[in-house]
Amino acid sequence: QQQVKQSPQSLIVQKGGISIINCAYENTAFDYFPWYQQFPGKGPALLIAIRPDVSEKKEGRFTISFNKSAKQFSLHIMDSQPGDSATYFCASMLSGGGADGLTFGKGTHLIIQP
Amino acid sequence: DTAVSQTPKYLVTQMGNDKSIKCEQNLGHDTMYWYKQDSKKFLKIMFSYNNKELIINETVPNRFSPKSPDKAHLNLHINSLELGDSAVYFCASSPNRGQPQHFGDGTRLSIL
Repeated sequence: QQQVKQSPQSLIVQKGGISIINCAYENTAFDYFPWYQQFPGKGPALLIAIRPDVSEKKEGRFTISFNKSAKQFSLHIMDSQPGDSATYFCASMLSGGGADGLTFGKGTHLIIQP
Repeated sequence: DTAVSQTPKYLVTQMGNDKSIKCEQNLGHDTMYWYKQDSKKFLKIMFSYNNKELIINETVPNRFSPKSPDKAHLNLHINSLELGDSAVYFCASSPNRGQPQHFGDGTRLSIL
């Protein structure tokens, strides 16, 4: 049973465009929502994270938008670059240290075309 | 210096064997984890350790056992390997429970 649904499964964006990846979670107790970036042969690397007390968080070209009532959050990559081509995972967790650690979405394979 | 390091990077072995994967973190974190990434890249938590105590254990076969000799290490032991165990296993650590996790680069386990 998947508690975090991620879409799309794959995404192709032109260089300079905006990449948007969406996630929906089911467990209303989740209160920490990170995004991870994974390159082939490497481990997931924490990109940006948000807590439900804010609706948006921006770090450089990366922005998380969070909608608590809809139980959805999304990653926006502005001015997408070929170096952003990777697999992106959204995740959810109980920051108080719940029993399940990080619950991941199934990932989005992002390709930025030059 | 690598923050979370795993060895070996690749592990090829036969069904029925017993193997171990080592993990070390030099971040001074109190909590360490093991995740399994399957062929479809789905990541799932297997175990977490906090201050040398097992705090979660998902529905993982008891052939898998984490062992922590000290706070900086969490090794994964797997007995009687099965074909379905083929996957990439990631170690991760965080300052404490419920805090951002940092991952190693994974160990690709292939069962022949």
